[in-house]
Amino acid sequence: KAGVTQTPRYLIKTRGQQVTLSCSPISGHRSVSWYQQTPGQGLQFLFEYFSETQRNKGNFPGRFSGRQFSNSRSEMNVSTLELGDSALYLCASSPGGTARETQYFGPGTRLLVL
Amino acid sequence: GDSVTQMEGPVTLSEEAFLTINCTYTATGYPSLFWYVQYPGEGLQLLLKATKADDKGSNKGFEATYRKETTSFHLEKGSVQVSDSAVYFCALGDAGGTSYGKLTFGQGTILTVHP
Repeated sequence: KAGVTQTPRYLIKTRGQQVTLSCSPISGHRSVSWYQQTPGQGLQFLFEYFSETQRNKGNFPGRFSGRQFSNSRSEMNVSTLELGDSALYLCASSPGGTARETQYFGPGTRLLVL
Repeated sequence: GDSVTQMEGPVTLSEEAFLTINCTYTATGYPSLFWYVQYPGEGLQLLLKATKADDKGSNKGFEATYRKETTSFHLEKGSVQVSDSAVYFCALGDAGGTSYGKLTFGQGTILTVHP
């Protein structure tokens, strides 16, 4: 099976702009989770989608949003970018999003905000 | 809330040395525990996992045992190789409530192995 893919791999934006990142899960996986990785805060959970519904959300401002499509592909959007949004954004997929399941991670999208 | 604490790093070892990376957790209920590894420029790869107390996860010579009494999941390898150089993350998946799709990670431990 093909792994989790993320596009684009790299992005450079300026403050105030918005950005959309895309994630294609492993075939058959219906749960997609998003994480932000920074040197200072480490890996932090953003949100999780299952069957086009957001089931869980981390402690991030409303500028961070996401959605999932009927084919389980997911997008996340960050509006009004701030310098502190510079990070590696990782998505992960699993069959059902339960605690016992392994999450399979994509290579990430590295976002730089200038 | 849930939390994971990993030993302070970085860790530098010579090839064939013994490795231990400590991981302790705080959680309600009965979490699942994971070790992930991240190589430079890549995403995270599952190294091993354990889903209930006393389970031992193992893979590629690495082992970790889920100890509920000490709330620990320490990673060990008897003989490290240069290719094991990477960042290692301990993570917890909380089985309770509505914690769907959420892993709580430790801060990561950078491992460097010298020939």
